[in-house]
Amino acid sequence: GDSVTQMEGPVTLSEEAFLTINCTYTATGYPSLFWYVQYPGEGLQLLLKATKADDKGSNKGFEATYRKETTSFHLEKGSVQVSDSAVYFCALSVPSGNTGKLIFGQGTTLQVKP
Amino acid sequence: KAGVTQTPRYLIKTRGQQVTLSCSPISGHRSVSWYQQTPGQGLQFLFEYFSETQRNKGNFPGRFSGRQFSNSRSEMNVSTLELGDSALYLCASSLGLAGGRAYTQYFGPGTRLTVL
Repeated sequence: GDSVTQMEGPVTLSEEAFLTINCTYTATGYPSLFWYVQYPGEGLQLLLKATKADDKGSNKGFEATYRKETTSFHLEKGSVQVSDSAVYFCALSVPSGNTGKLIFGQGTTLQVKP
Repeated sequence: KAGVTQTPRYLIKTRGQQVTLSCSPISGHRSVSWYQQTPGQGLQFLFEYFSETQRNKGNFPGRFSGRQFSNSRSEMNVSTLELGDSALYLCASSLGLAGGRAYTQYFGPGTRLTVL
């Protein structure tokens, strides 16, 4: 079945370090791919998305490129800040019939130290 | 535009009771999905409603049910609560589907349910 695998956390970085969170997926159709972020005590916020191969999603300095050949959607940021500390979820949506439920990875906790 | 709202934000119940959670989608959104988030299982899809019809259901027992009203607001109900139902319940709204692609889902803050 469809699934998403993220790198294990927690990831601990110093401020201004480079961030990569790996995400790979398995899907039978042509998924849309998403990164969501969850801050403590809150719901999920959409960070970025890509709907077809080679699309690059970007927002707030974060980027991810939809790589069909490697079935990956890795999240990157050139210089992290303490305020980026949160849990990051990679997700896919494969429309089936008339529904498009999200399938999530297990989440990766990022801790940025000053 | 106001975001997705969920009420209540926190609930404490005891085993065997039932609970109803409410979700108001973003204005104009007709699709509402529900997800359960637990430390052990992560984020799991419960069900999706569109125009008052359930379009998809996840792998949860029949104790979990939901409905959607004509104004797109949705409720989910859990009967005969078990300790394992303790979780954060998240609601998400979207415009639905178009051209075979799902519109982005926007999440509410969640309802934290604790079962004692």
